[in-house]
Amino acid sequence: QVQLVESGGGLVKPGGSLRLSCAASGFTFSDFYMSWIRQAPGKGLEWISYISSTSSIIYYADSVKGRFTISRDNARNSVFLQMNSLRAEDTAVYYCTRRVLRFLVQDFDYWGPGSLVTVSS
Amino acid sequence: QTVVTQEPSLTVSPGGTVTLTCASSTGAVTSDYYPNWFQQKPGQAPRSLIYSTNNKHSWTPARFSGSLLGGKAALTLSGVQPEDEAEYYCLLSYSGTQLVFGGGTKLTVL
Repeated sequence: QVQLVESGGGLVKPGGSLRLSCAASGFTFSDFYMSWIRQAPGKGLEWISYISSTSSIIYYADSVKGRFTISRDNARNSVFLQMNSLRAEDTAVYYCTRRVLRFLVQDFDYWGPGSLVTVSS
Repeated sequence: QTVVTQEPSLTVSPGGTVTLTCASSTGAVTSDYYPNWFQQKPGQAPRSLIYSTNNKHSWTPARFSGSLLGGKAALTLSGVQPEDEAEYYCLLSYSGTQLVFGGGTKLTVL
């Protein structure tokens, strides 16, 4: 079955960096777009970024543009989120999601359990 | 900045019917926005219920349905069960380059 497992979260100081990883299994990873979505404590969901199957298409939310970088390694069935210049407002659970994108269909059908990132001095 | 608006909270009786809506600050929501609906229970990751306006997953209970209603995306629950108590989020796609979630609707079954 489809599984997504995030890792790399933790406590980091403001201005610091962190790299999240997401290991995927149970499907042909190289056929799918992937995405990161976050949720601040007690708050709603916020889409962060997505990457196409070949890494040729990448988009970011304005809130992270220029600070976060999404990438993937299809040989390792993994997607990554490099987070630089972290701010307190980046504190959130970060979810790795599979993005389905085809004619007349858009969806985030599978989600990982999430990885908590805390930005605090 | 684009804002997607949902009812902050709704209450429904078991066995009843309730409709949650999702509005866009840019105007009427159409199928071109590929509305998605997600359910999140406390301590759990969200899960997709409805995609591209009205499509269900194999795991989506039949009592959930998606539609467009009065310029908004809508999620209707018919025959609500106690286990449907959760937070529900809609998501709209703006030309595929920006994806915006609504603030969520807390559904109470009482």
